[in-house]
Amino acid sequence: NAGVTQTPKFRVLKTGQSMTLLCAQDMNHEYMYWYRQDPGMGLRLIHYSVGEGTTAKGEVPDGYNVSRLKKQNFLLGLESAAPSQTSVYFCASSYFGSTQYFGPGTRLTVL
Amino acid sequence: SQQGEEDPQALSIQEGENATMNCSYKTSINNLQWYRQNSGRGLVHLILIRSNEREKHSGRLRVTLDTSKKSSSLLITASRAADTASYFCATDQSGAQKLVFGQGTRLTINP
Repeated sequence: NAGVTQTPKFRVLKTGQSMTLLCAQDMNHEYMYWYRQDPGMGLRLIHYSVGEGTTAKGEVPDGYNVSRLKKQNFLLGLESAAPSQTSVYFCASSYFGSTQYFGPGTRLTVL
Repeated sequence: SQQGEEDPQALSIQEGENATMNCSYKTSINNLQWYRQNSGRGLVHLILIRSNEREKHSGRLRVTLDTSKKSSSLLITASRAADTASYFCATDQSGAQKLVFGQGTRLTINP
């Protein structure tokens, strides 16, 4: 099993550009999550999903959109990137909200 | 706002010593979990303690939970250089479908 994978690993964007981060899991987990991690801020939940076709807002959802068209994939979109979105993004999945399994992260820089 | 607050924010000890980290939270929980993050990596689940448990062991890890004080502690015994990492507590709040992470304790083990 690959577990949780994230694509891409690194990305540099210019202000105003858009991009999509892809998270995939092969553990048949129902729940999936997107977090951002900034220095000294810990993990903050952006959006999450409790099943295929469902999404919900987390703590810091502004400027991001998500989709869960397939159970194994959870996409995070930035429509118009801003420097404040420079961060490390982590995806995680879990079996009905218990222990979470994390991906390796995507390091995003917005210039 | 963050549910879990870890204390201390940073801890540096000698190899072989024990390391203790504390976590406080604010609301009722189903369980509390501890995760480890090595530099530049995703989080890895260490141990879960349910709200009706008071103590749990896993190898060199010992976790305690005091629901009356809304606090937990993680003890790592006989520390090793490989234990150098950031440690996060996360609470599974009653009725919620997500975890809330604290800001973490950065542990450094000096050889």
